[in-house]
Amino acid sequence: KAGVTQTPRYLIKTRGQQVTLSCSPISGHRSVSWYQQTPGQGLQFLFEYFSETQRNKGNFPGRFSGRQFSNSRSEMNVSTLELGDSALYLCASSQQGNYGYTFGSGTRLTVV
Amino acid sequence: QKEVEQNSGPLSVPEGAIASLNCTYSDRGSQSFFWYRQYSGKSPELIMSIYSNGDKEDGRFTAQLNKASQYVSLLIRDSQPSDSATYLCAVNNEGAQKLVFGQGTRLTINP
Repeated sequence: KAGVTQTPRYLIKTRGQQVTLSCSPISGHRSVSWYQQTPGQGLQFLFEYFSETQRNKGNFPGRFSGRQFSNSRSEMNVSTLELGDSALYLCASSQQGNYGYTFGSGTRLTVV
Repeated sequence: QKEVEQNSGPLSVPEGAIASLNCTYSDRGSQSFFWYRQYSGKSPELIMSIYSNGDKEDGRFTAQLNKASQYVSLLIRDSQPSDSATYLCAVNNEGAQKLVFGQGTRLTINP
């Protein structure tokens, strides 16, 4: 059974640009969550989607957005990138959302 | 007060000993509790989940939950150098549909 697939693995962007990250969940998993991990803040919740609906959103500015497609694949977008957005972005999927989440390998975003 | 608190460590344990990792949480509505292991440069890997008070054992790992004390722990028996990693405690309130993570405890097993 394939795991959670995130693309791309690494990204380098310039301040002010925007970026789109992609996540394909484990087959059959309908809940997809996104997290940002930094050395200082640890793992911070961004948002959670279930059947194309955003059910919860973390305390991040509106520059961070996401969506989920009918096949459960998800994308997150960050507009007007700032240096502080440099982080590991992790996607996680779950069957129902209240069981353990399986994480993808992450996308390492560097903003210069 | 942080929602989920862990001792950041580092925690150093000799090979073959028991490693004990602790976590406290503030939301009494929390219903699901997880331990993730994260090796340096890798993503978190789920190693234990626990939903009711008491102990849950899986191989060398035992998770313990005490909802009255708002306390979760992870015991690793017969610790191996390969257990050296950061261990993340995560708590889920079903209504909130999100995991809240502690800062993680860095564990080092010394041969």
